[in-house]
Amino acid sequence: GQNIDQPTEMTATEGAIVQINCTYQTSGFNGLFWYQQHAGEAPTFLSYNVLDGLEEKGRFSSFLSRSKGYSYLLLKELQMKDSASYLCASMDSNYQLIWGAGTKLIIKP
Amino acid sequence: EAQVTQNPRYLITVTGKKLTVTCSQNMNHEYMSWYRQDPGLGLRQIYYSMNVEVTDKGDVPEGYKVSRKEKRNFPLILESPSPNQTSLYFCATMGGRDYNSPLHFGNGTRLTVT
Repeated sequence: GQNIDQPTEMTATEGAIVQINCTYQTSGFNGLFWYQQHAGEAPTFLSYNVLDGLEEKGRFSSFLSRSKGYSYLLLKELQMKDSASYLCASMDSNYQLIWGAGTKLIIKP
Repeated sequence: EAQVTQNPRYLITVTGKKLTVTCSQNMNHEYMSWYRQDPGLGLRQIYYSMNVEVTDKGDVPEGYKVSRKEKRNFPLILESPSPNQTSLYFCATMGGRDYNSPLHFGNGTRLTVT
């Protein structure tokens, strides 16, 4: 079957670093996406990985290990505005997205 | 400004009363889709359309209809809404020929069926 798992909720401190993990089981694999969703708003695209390794974009980085079915999103120098849900989604062999339930990140001062 | 526009943002209705949620995009994207989002569950795809006059079922199509008569519009129709269709709905589009193109989401429609 196809499945995506990510933690339901995480808490971190302003200025710190947090890593949000995502494991996936997908029939065929055509990449993994991360989206950010603030409460009551639409998801917005953060990153896409299809090859193993780390992709860095400013304060946000995303890592993929295809052999382990594992990805993480790394957020550095956390700011209060980073409080949001982070959605992991894998793309299967039919180019359809399978979504995780999202990780709610709470940032404390 | 490039956007995906959904209407209405909020809708409260009663069981059985037909409703339509509109979605319009000005980016000339070929791909459009509808999702519902419920607490504790991931985004679940209802229907999608690869191009005009081409629509396909997603993971949860029961109780919904769509049409794609023109490129810019992709309305979601609930012929006889039921309380289990109470949810947050998103329309999304994707441009480009590469499947790694990101989705562009509308602002969402919060539907309550009593």
